[in-house]
Amino acid sequence: GQQVMQIPQYQHVQEGEDFTTYCNSSTTLSNIQWYKQRPGGHPVFLIQLVKSGEVKKQKRLTFQFGEAKKNSSLHITATQTTDVGTYFCAGGANSKLTFGKGITLSVRP
Amino acid sequence: EAQVTQNPRYLITVTGKKLTVTCSQNMNHEYMSWYRQDPGLGLRQIYYSMNVEVTDKGDVPEGYKVSRKEKRNFPLILESPSPNQTSLYFCASSPNRERYEQYFGPGTRLTVT
Repeated sequence: GQQVMQIPQYQHVQEGEDFTTYCNSSTTLSNIQWYKQRPGGHPVFLIQLVKSGEVKKQKRLTFQFGEAKKNSSLHITATQTTDVGTYFCAGGANSKLTFGKGITLSVRP
Repeated sequence: EAQVTQNPRYLITVTGKKLTVTCSQNMNHEYMSWYRQDPGLGLRQIYYSMNVEVTDKGDVPEGYKVSRKEKRNFPLILESPSPNQTSLYFCASSPNRERYEQYFGPGTRLTVT
């Protein structure tokens, strides 16, 4: 079945450093979504990408969809303590949305 | 305010005692689903519903039941809970299954002793 992988599961950065994480699919996707879950909270939708090579920005966050539509990246510029949480990608294909296991980001002040 | 609500938020119960976790959305979404979240395993889908009276198994349906008698409600039923169902449960809704933002409820933390 369709698999969406996020490795590693945890990453620790110093405040102010940049952070990049990747999401890889075993199959070609029709779209990819990113969610953020703050500690103790629920997943909240951040963005959706649908076009090959698409790049979208939200303030310090940059999201990219790969040319082959099988991978995606999330880049955070100059991390802040407010960026802590778990970031999930979710790949859509064949009328199904499959979530990755997420990456938990911690930021040292 | 557009939202998904879940009740209860916290529940401690004993093995074998039937329980229901309610989920309701006020956005007239057709698609609703239940996930469980466990450390290191991410979000795993339990059941989903494409519309009223239409439900289907997700990736980990064993030990759970659902019903969709009304568009806004999608309760999760544990007929005979076991300790391995101790988890954090999220309900989510969306206009459809794949191409739209999923709105998650606040979560229900269930402990089965």
